[in-house]
Amino acid sequence: EAGVAQSPRYKIIEKRQSVAFWCNPISGHATLYWYQQILGQGPKLLIQFQNNSVVDDSQLPKDRFSAERLKGVDSTLKIQPAKLEDSAVYLCASRKTGGIFGREGQETQYFGPGTRLLVL
Amino acid sequence: AQKITQTQPGMFVQEKEAVTLDCTYDTSDQSYGLFWYKQPSSGEMIFLIYQGSYDEQNATEGRYSLNFQKARKSANLVISASQLGDSAMYFCAAAPGYSTLTFGKGTMLLVSP
Repeated sequence: EAGVAQSPRYKIIEKRQSVAFWCNPISGHATLYWYQQILGQGPKLLIQFQNNSVVDDSQLPKDRFSAERLKGVDSTLKIQPAKLEDSAVYLCASRKTGGIFGREGQETQYFGPGTRLLVL
Repeated sequence: AQKITQTQPGMFVQEKEAVTLDCTYDTSDQSYGLFWYKQPSSGEMIFLIYQGSYDEQNATEGRYSLNFQKARKSANLVISASQLGDSAMYFCAAAPGYSTLTFGKGTMLLVSP
C-alpha cells in the first residue's frame, strides 16, 4: 500500500512570495490533515478535512494560508504572502475515518515525508 | 485544550539496553487515543504504537511497549534492546474523542555503540 505522498520535498522562497504544497493521502483515507512543524517543536495542526469538508481550521492563519481538497482526495496548502516565520516543515497526514479515538480501534494517522520550507 | 508533556529533552542509551521515554497528558475526555511517533533526521513521522483509553492491556509492537497508567495520565514508551537506528526524535501525542492529535515537544534519543 502506497503511503502519503507530498511534493515538493524542499522549497526556498523570499518573503512576500507565494508557495503551494501538494498532498496525496493513502487510498481510501477520508480524513486529511496539514500540520506545521517549526524547528524544535512538535507538529501543530493547521487544518483537518473530512472528505472535501473542513472539520477544523481554527489554527490556520487565514489571512495568508489557504487549503483545499476539492474532490476529497488530494489536497493543496497555499501560503500567500509568505513571512519569515513560516519557515518550517509542512506535514500532511491521513486517516481512514474520522471516528472517535480510543473506541474504534487503531485509527492511526499516517504521515507523509513533509515539505521543508525556507523563507528568506 | 489538551496538553502533552515530555520532560526529557534528550536521552542517551547504549546499544542493546532498554530505555523509557516519559509522557504525561492532560484530558478530561473519557475516550481518547495515545500515540508515539518517531521522527528521524529525514523528517518523516513514523507511527510506532497506539493505546486506546479503553484498552486494559498495555500496547506492544515488537521492541516497543507503552506503559499506560490511566490514573496518573501517563503513557511512557519503552524501547527494549536499543539499536543504533533508534536514534531520532520521539513524539508523544494524544487525541481525545473526535479531536485531532496534540503533540508534545519531543525527546531526542541517542543510541551509542
